[in-house]
Amino acid sequence: EVQLEESGGGLVQPGGSLRLSCAASGFTLGDHWMFWVRQVPGKGLEWVSRIDHYGSSTTYADSVRGRFTISRDNAKKTVFLQMSSLRVEDTAVYYCARDINWGSLDLWGHGTLVIVSS
Amino acid sequence: QSALTQPRSVSGSPGQSVTISCTGSSSDIGGYKFVSWYQQRPGKAPKLIIYHVTERPSGVPGRFSGSKSDNTASLTVSGLQAEDEADYYCCAYAGDFTWVFGGGTKLTVL
Repeated sequence: EVQLEESGGGLVQPGGSLRLSCAASGFTLGDHWMFWVRQVPGKGLEWVSRIDHYGSSTTYADSVRGRFTISRDNAKKTVFLQMSSLRVEDTAVYYCARDINWGSLDLWGHGTLVIVSS
Repeated sequence: QSALTQPRSVSGSPGQSVTISCTGSSSDIGGYKFVSWYQQRPGKAPKLIIYHVTERPSGVPGRFSGSKSDNTASLTVSGLQAEDEADYYCCAYAGDFTWVFGGGTKLTVL
């Protein structure tokens, strides 16, 4: 079955770190750019980060640049989001998504909830 | 990276058509043909329904169509059905390998 599954979310204190993982199955991960998108519960979607096929090019939203790092291991079929210096406003459900062409995200995981709170 | 502007809500009766607008700028919607639309039902992940302004992924009903004029993209849902009730989000490429989403529109089928 073609799917993405996120993990690694949880409760963390402000200033803390967390690493999210996104496991891909049923397709060749290396054929696709991958994205992270987040959603504050009850609010809208926000693009967070994008990585190219081999991890040589990465981009970030202004709100997370310098604090978050996206990476991938195609052999292990996994994409990562390392989050540091976390803020209360980073609290959200984090989705990973597969790109088919310039931001056309055709496959999404179920999301993992990150709560930043003291 | 300012969010695209969508109406907070739209509504229509079964069988009718509704159009959801998504307004950006010449730096995003107006500058590229990379606009996508997503449907999100409560408690579920978003689903791609339109990409590259007008293209429909396989399996998406033909009742969904997209268009763009200058800095505004639009999603039209024709022949409204109860199952179309959901939140809809536009997303556009904003240059330098960055993207921006709209604030979302709640579609209510009366």
